Amino acid sequence: SQTIHQWPATLVQPVGSPLSLECTVEGTSNPNLYWYRQAAGRGLQLLFYSVGIGQISSEVPQNLSASRPQDRQFILSSKKLLLSDSGFYLCAWNPGQNQPQHFGDGTRLSIL
Amino acid sequence: KNEVEQSPQNLTAQEGEFITINCSYSVGISALHWLQQHPGGGIVSLFMLSSGKKKHGRLIATINIQEKHSSLHITASHPRDSAVYICAYLGNKLTFGGGTRVLVKP
Repeated sequence: SQTIHQWPATLVQPVGSPLSLECTVEGTSNPNLYWYRQAAGRGLQLLFYSVGIGQISSEVPQNLSASRPQDRQFILSSKKLLLSDSGFYLCAWNPGQNQPQHFGDGTRLSIL
Repeated sequence: KNEVEQSPQNLTAQEGEFITINCSYSVGISALHWLQQHPGGGIVSLFMLSSGKKKHGRLIATINIQEKHSSLHITASHPRDSAVYICAYLGNKLTFGGGTRVLVKP
């Protein structure tokens, strides 16, 4: 069966520090991968999605970047975190367009 | 105007009550997702539907593609149903509604 792993579960980082959040999927190949953010008191927002290795689409301009170095690995990064990067980050996958998405457990990121 | 509108934003019910959450969208879609977000933040996919009705336990989801409207019903609600319920229409990516915060009191 397919599973999605996201870590860490919580993270506290100072302003200006780098960030790396990792997401991996097991039990499938060539999944579509997604990074979402939910800022405090706001709805879910799609940040990046990827339909294949090295293929990244960015939905909103921001301080973050994403990479897909392997088929089932999706990484969210920042060189210098801002206070506004605080939030709850969710990774998700689906086998293709118009298929249900499956979510990771999320990472709660607090910037101090 | 948001492409996906949910109502109500907040809902409080007594245990056992029937709950309905509504979702309207403004574009033609092929399928709609209903998601449940627990207080800790984790998200579970409840339904994906493109027509008619689906039922899973005490949860029922309906969709009317022509009217661009979907509803999520919770029958015999229970405190463990307390969560945020989110509808989203599905294409290459999800477009989310703002969510409905449901509190079921014992």
